[in-house]
Amino acid sequence: EAQVTQNPRYLITVTGKKLTVTCSQNMNHEYMSWYRQDPGLGLRQIYYSMNVEVTDKGDVPEGYKVSRKEKRNFPLILESPSPNQTSLYFCASSFTGTQTGGYGYTFGSGTRLTVV
Amino acid sequence: KQEVTQIPAALSVPEGENLVLNCSFTDSAIYNLQWFRQDPGKGLTSLLLIQSSQREQTSGRLNASLDKSSGRSTLYIAASQPGDSATYLCAVDYGQNFVFGPGTRLSVLP
Repeated sequence: EAQVTQNPRYLITVTGKKLTVTCSQNMNHEYMSWYRQDPGLGLRQIYYSMNVEVTDKGDVPEGYKVSRKEKRNFPLILESPSPNQTSLYFCASSFTGTQTGGYGYTFGSGTRLTVV
Repeated sequence: KQEVTQIPAALSVPEGENLVLNCSFTDSAIYNLQWFRQDPGKGLTSLLLIQSSQREQTSGRLNASLDKSSGRSTLYIAASQPGDSATYLCAVDYGQNFVFGPGTRLSVLP
């Protein structure tokens, strides 16, 4: 089944303890992206990757790191989590489209992170 | 700046009504536009994808239209059901980034 898999689904951690949220897709998509979703603020892009070894900042990259060593994986790293990073996180992937027509996003099921 | 807005922010209708959700975008140089459904605390489920060269797409009781020149898309839901209650998001693909609207929260009352 074509899908984007995020782990873990739920995570409670303490301030300052490094954590990694994994994201893997099995559709050979070039483009992958991380979002956070907060009440009243909608979905905001954290980082995105156009292909292997190519990553770039989104709208809210502070406090996050990513890597894209393999095409299928795009982990999100919080080196020193803080309570303001408590949020619902989504990973998504897509083929890289053209202006004659794109392919659309596939989303993971989300990771609910609480930092205390 | 590329912005996406959605009207209305919330909508409550009785079961059986036909309804229209609106999405507007400021930059018409889009690759595609996608409508999603999100249930509370859950992930996003893709409903319809309209490529930039298309004007509409249909899936069951859902029909989405796209007018690039005016920067608008509409999602039409026919014969609404309580199970349609959710937040509906439109997202515009600009190639290097997808820009999401804030969503329309729909409640369909039995």
